[in-house]
Amino acid sequence: GAGVSQSPRYKVAKRGQDVALRCDPISGHVSLFWYQQALGQGPEFLTYFQNEAQLDKSGLPSDRFFAERPEGSVSTLKIQRTQQEDSAVYLCASSLRNSPLHFGNGTRLTVT
Amino acid sequence: AQTVTQSQPEMSVQEAETVTLSCTYDTSESDYYLFWYKQPPSRQMILVIRQEAYKQQNATENRFSVNFQKAAKSFSLKISDSQLGDAAMYFCAYRRSIGTGNQFYFGTGTSLTVIP
Repeated sequence: GAGVSQSPRYKVAKRGQDVALRCDPISGHVSLFWYQQALGQGPEFLTYFQNEAQLDKSGLPSDRFFAERPEGSVSTLKIQRTQQEDSAVYLCASSLRNSPLHFGNGTRLTVT
Repeated sequence: AQTVTQSQPEMSVQEAETVTLSCTYDTSESDYYLFWYKQPPSRQMILVIRQEAYKQQNATENRFSVNFQKAAKSFSLKISDSQLGDAAMYFCAYRRSIGTGNQFYFGTGTSLTVIP
């Protein structure tokens, strides 16, 4: 596609439910990033992939967060047993090496 | 550790006037990239301008220009002839240029209001 595509655009989950957020990066972009953006804040780094390899997951806030990119293209961010503090916008971005990030529109997760 | 600081949570500017958004950063690296991103209510982050640290010349993109002061670790964005469509959150970002640490570090943002 022409840009980074994220789905769903909105997700409401009850506390304790598992959620899966999808990111389809720009074709050919080897680097893929997940960011968490709380209301009124800047994006905070979660994890980074180069192709299918997860090279940095230092930003994942707990072991309830898990990301994968098995074929080096589409990525999924999974959050298990969601908590209210997980409510945020989750942004996915892709890039070529050493180039600017191209962002998707994000998924707004609300945990009730 | 790299940090990015935007000290102006909110700014406003009259339409057609000029406004400058401030950004400072902290790094021990000598080579890196700096960016300004715009985030309108649609949430999509849009690249406004980028600057390579090894380039002394300030980057310019139409009405947008930067004042890059490497020694002071300052990277301000100037918007000339402000338009209503410029209203958005603006984020300053830093990226290392080498190695596997490809994280982008973002500031907390500046909310820009354009007054008709």
